[in-house]
Amino acid sequence: EVQLLESGGGLVQPGGSLRLSCAASGFTFSSYAMSWVRQAPGKGLEWVSAISGSGGSTYYADSVKGRFTISRDNSKNTLYLQMNSLRAEDTAVYYCAKHSGIAVGYLDWYFDLWGRGTLVTVSS
Amino acid sequence: DIQMTQSPSSVSASVGDRVTITCRASQGISSWLAWYQQKPGKAPKLLIYAASSLQSGVPSRFSGSGSGTDFTLTISSLQPEDFATYYCQQANSFPTFGQGTRLEIK
Repeated sequence: EVQLLESGGGLVQPGGSLRLSCAASGFTFSSYAMSWVRQAPGKGLEWVSAISGSGGSTYYADSVKGRFTISRDNSKNTLYLQMNSLRAEDTAVYYCAKHSGIAVGYLDWYFDLWGRGTLVTVSS
Repeated sequence: DIQMTQSPSSVSASVGDRVTITCRASQGISSWLAWYQQKPGKAPKLLIYAASSLQSGVPSRFSGSGSGTDFTLTISSLQPEDFATYYCQQANSFPTFGQGTRLEIK
C-alpha cells in the first residue's frame, strides 16, 4: 500500500528541540522529492521545507530557516525534520507530503500523497 | 511570496448543486496551480494540478480552470462526501496556499 506515516510529535517547551520522522512505503522513495507542510490548529496550510530525491538539495520557508533541518535516509525510506529553537507559533500538525514528480528535470510543487500528520505543541 | 486569496471563505449548498470557488494569485503563475480537499481531522487530498488536470481517481464532477492570476474550482453536482474545506496552492515557486473555503451543507 502506498502510504506515509509520520511520528515524533509531542509537547515541547519553547526553545526546545524535536525530530519528526516520516516512513514511506509502496513507492520508490528515492525517486521523489518530499516536503513537510504544517497546519496550526484551526488554520490553513503552510509549506515548511522540501528535499530532493537524492537529498542533495534542500529548501526552507523563511519562517523556519536556520532552525529546522530536513533530511532523508533513502536506505530506510524515511524522511526527517529536525526542529530546534521551537516557538509557540510552531505549534501545528506536521504533514509529510510526496511531490508528484510530473515535471521532468526540475522540482514540481504538487503534493499527491500526504501522511496523517503528527501534532507538535510548543508550550511551557 | 506569492499571496493566494480564495473566495468565498465559506459557502452553503445542497446535494446536487453546482458550486464554484475562486482563487486569485498576487502575481501571474501561468497554470501552476493545485486544488486540495481536506476533511476534518484528515490530510489534504490532491484534486486538480496544473490548473485543470484531474488527479487520478478523482471524480469527474470536479474541474478546474484559469491561468495567470485567476482560477476556479467547480463541482458540477455536489455529493454528500464533497462537504469539506478546499484549498488552492500556487506551484510556481515555494508553495503558498489560499486561506481555504469551507463548503457546508445547506
